[in-house]
Amino acid sequence: GDSVTQTEGQVALSEEDFLTIHCNYSASGYPTLFWYVQYPGEGPQLLFRASRDKEKGSSRGFEATYDKGTTSFHLRKASVQESDSAVYYCALSDYTEGADRLTFGKGTQLIIQP
Amino acid sequence: GALVYQYPRRTICKSGTSMRMECQAVGFQATSVAWYRQSPQKTFELIALSTVNSAIKYEQNFTQEKFPISHPNLSFSSMTVLNAYLEDRGLYLCGARARVEQYFGPGTRLTVL
Repeated sequence: GDSVTQTEGQVALSEEDFLTIHCNYSASGYPTLFWYVQYPGEGPQLLFRASRDKEKGSSRGFEATYDKGTTSFHLRKASVQESDSAVYYCALSDYTEGADRLTFGKGTQLIIQP
Repeated sequence: GALVYQYPRRTICKSGTSMRMECQAVGFQATSVAWYRQSPQKTFELIALSTVNSAIKYEQNFTQEKFPISHPNLSFSSMTVLNAYLEDRGLYLCGARARVEQYFGPGTRLTVL
């Protein structure tokens, strides 16, 4: 079945640091890839998505590029702020397993110290 | 904008009892609704996918007998947790789909005593 791997369980940075959260996926078809952010007490919010190889998704200064060759969709931000502290989830939707189904990674807790 | 409401936000029930939770899509028509459970360890488990006028598809380890779902129209869905036990605790999330995106509600947090 499909799977999403986020290697970092937790990332601690200072404000204005550069952020990378790694995401690799495995899917039988050609999936759509997503990044979600979850704040305490809330459900996951969609940051952005990408559907094709080399497509870049971006929102609020975060970006990720769909790389079919390396099966990756790494999240990056040039300069993080304290308000970015949250849990970030990489996810995929694969039409061969039903387009409505999302497979999530285990999430990365981002902690930004002022 | 597209919003998803869930009710109640929190609920506590005694072991062996049942509780019902609701999901409402506002501002869009949801072509499907997915129910997930987020464990205390923060991982997501898909419980079932529901499309109006189609059979509800339950994932392995989840059954209609335990988690019956009603999805009468494009904006409303409800799910009941029957005979809840400690392992059923967690945050139950409703994801309503509009075109490609799936929008999530804030969840119903279930505590089982």
